[in-house]
Amino acid sequence: VLTQSPDFQSVTPNEKVTITCRASQSIGGTLHWYQQKPGQSPKLLIKFASQSMSGVPSRFSGSGSGTDFTLTINSLEAEDAATYYCHQSSSLPITFGQGTRLEIK
Amino acid sequence: EVQLVESGGGLVQPGGSLRLSCAASGFTLSNYWMYWVRQAPGKGLVWVSGINNDGSSTTYADSVKGRFTISRDNAKNTLYLQMNSLGAEDTAVYHCVRVLPGGYDSATDYWGQGTLVTVSS
Repeated sequence: VLTQSPDFQSVTPNEKVTITCRASQSIGGTLHWYQQKPGQSPKLLIKFASQSMSGVPSRFSGSGSGTDFTLTINSLEAEDAATYYCHQSSSLPITFGQGTRLEIK
Repeated sequence: EVQLVESGGGLVQPGGSLRLSCAASGFTLSNYWMYWVRQAPGKGLVWVSGINNDGSSTTYADSVKGRFTISRDNAKNTLYLQMNSLGAEDTAVYHCVRVLPGGYDSATDYWGQGTLVTVSS
């Protein structure tokens, strides 16, 4: 089971945001982060805890291993309003976190 | 350009069946594991099923095991999901998803837009 926190956060532009994902058992580094905007499919931001995908703005970064992981967004921009999901692929069944919705004030 | 285009969704009565298809283009389907992931309206992402490159290995979420069957035809560049004994809890947008090379234990890099399945009388 993956548990994200918070479920919802209202933030102002230029603020730093931290989203956490906790696994119920150790998953090593097989944790990935996605961004989903309304009406769109999820987009992969970070793979294997800390590897940024090509084309993803540098303000997005990931860290962690074992059971505790973090997605950090530095200097938030208006376009970052979205729901963010973590995803573990360490073992079957594949699971996703419940999502964290970011609202930009 | 990689594209995944789902079809086959629609309105079905409880207990009914549907077969979803996913047409893949822009890459060689046989090189990748594939998933189906669903998202109920206003809800989060739920993994449904996965299949390995040549279709010899399949895996399912407990909630669909025995009711859904994933398959693929690499020659036709198409992924399928046969869904039987549908219930209201299966109502969702179903996404076809490509897994990065390396097996099921990797991230996913391309998602189709999804096809909506509504189970209702």
